[in-house]
Amino acid sequence: AQSVTQLDSHVSVSEGTPVLLRCNYSSSYSPSLFWYVQHPNKGLQLLLKYTSAATLVKGINGFEAEFKKSETSFHLTKPSAHMSDAAEYFCVVSDRGGGSYIPTFGRGTSLIVHP
Amino acid sequence: DAGITQSPRHKVTETGTPVTLRCHQTENHRYMYWYRQDPGHGLRLIHYSYGVKDTDKGEVSDGYSVSRSKTEDFLLTLESATSSQTSVYFCAISEDLAGVGVSYEQYFGPGTRLTVT
Repeated sequence: AQSVTQLDSHVSVSEGTPVLLRCNYSSSYSPSLFWYVQHPNKGLQLLLKYTSAATLVKGINGFEAEFKKSETSFHLTKPSAHMSDAAEYFCVVSDRGGGSYIPTFGRGTSLIVHP
Repeated sequence: DAGITQSPRHKVTETGTPVTLRCHQTENHRYMYWYRQDPGHGLRLIHYSYGVKDTDKGEVSDGYSVSRSKTEDFLLTLESATSSQTSVYFCAISEDLAGVGVSYEQYFGPGTRLTVT
């Protein structure tokens, strides 16, 4: 069965410093992996997705993530945080386990950006 | 933005009453999902649909039922609301579930905040 673990429930950074949000996954097959962002009182929006084409995936707003099969990780990074990046971030895994590709969500990481 | 609307956006109801939430899409996507979001739990799948009248349970389906009589509408019903069902409910859609070994991304509605008193 697939699963995903977001290693930090909260991450606090200063504006202009790098962002690292950690995600580990478990999958018996070749997974698809996603990062979504949720701003306060909004729905979720796709940031980026990995679907086996390239291990380094670039997304919107300067975010990127690297798929590392040996470490079963898909960490989200950004070189320089902006105040507008403050939001909840969700890592999601999907594979064909059990004949289904129904996605599994992590519990979320809240990114706090200080001026 | 994907054309997904949810109604109502906010609702307060009393324990024991039935409640129906509506999700409407204009994208003609095959899959529709209902999630609930609670602090510390992320998003948990309640039910999903893979076509008109085709639905299946998610991990937290007890106390909920769904119906999909048209491609564009997916209804979530709380048969007898309880305080534990106070939550934010999100509808999502996806074009399909997966292509050749690759999963499709989901698009989310704005959410419905439900309070059961």
